[in-house]
Amino acid sequence: GQNIDQPTEMTATEGAIVQINCTYQTSGFNGLFWYQQHAGEAPTFLSYNVLDGLEEKGRFSSFLSRSKGYSYLLLKELQMKDSASYLCAVNTNAGKSTFGDGTTLTVKP
Amino acid sequence: KAGVTQTPRYLIKTRGQQVTLSCSPISGHRSVSWYQQTPGQGLQFLFEYFSETQRNKGNFPGRFSGRQFSNSRSEMNVSTLELGDSALYLCASSLTRDPGANVLTFGAGSRLTVL
Repeated sequence: GQNIDQPTEMTATEGAIVQINCTYQTSGFNGLFWYQQHAGEAPTFLSYNVLDGLEEKGRFSSFLSRSKGYSYLLLKELQMKDSASYLCAVNTNAGKSTFGDGTTLTVKP
Repeated sequence: KAGVTQTPRYLIKTRGQQVTLSCSPISGHRSVSWYQQTPGQGLQFLFEYFSETQRNKGNFPGRFSGRQFSNSRSEMNVSTLELGDSALYLCASSLTRDPGANVLTFGAGSRLTVL
């Protein structure tokens, strides 16, 4: 089976930087995704890592270490609209995506 | 182009009834996955369909079933509803089953309340 762990809640200040961690245990790993979900809305794709290293996309970056079963999502220059749930999802060779329970980020002024 | 469309958006049922939810994927997307989302359990995988065949199944009882049609539209059915089935049911489509390209696009969900 698969185990995906992320913190339940985080709070940060507008303009700051926050790092959301995700650890996983899986067989047949074939990629890790981050999705953002605002309250009452559908999750939307943020980033994808399949090789070790950092992927940068504007204010958002995602890092992966396959040997450690570890990823993080880095959000810079936080804005109020970044308050949302952030979901870590692991893909397997079978094409299945398994999600963590999500990290609820609250950005305060 | 149109996104993933789920109907109905909201519905209320009573215990013992059955419900059918519908999902129309993005045009050209052949893979459709279903997830159950609850505050306590997060996003739980139900099943995935590709080319009208169920390819993966999560750990849900047999009361949960689904199917996919030749136009890639999918339905899921829950029979003998229980209070614990109250949840947001999300459908997601993707272009292929290739994990590298398997970015999921989610619909807005169907919120089911069982009384």
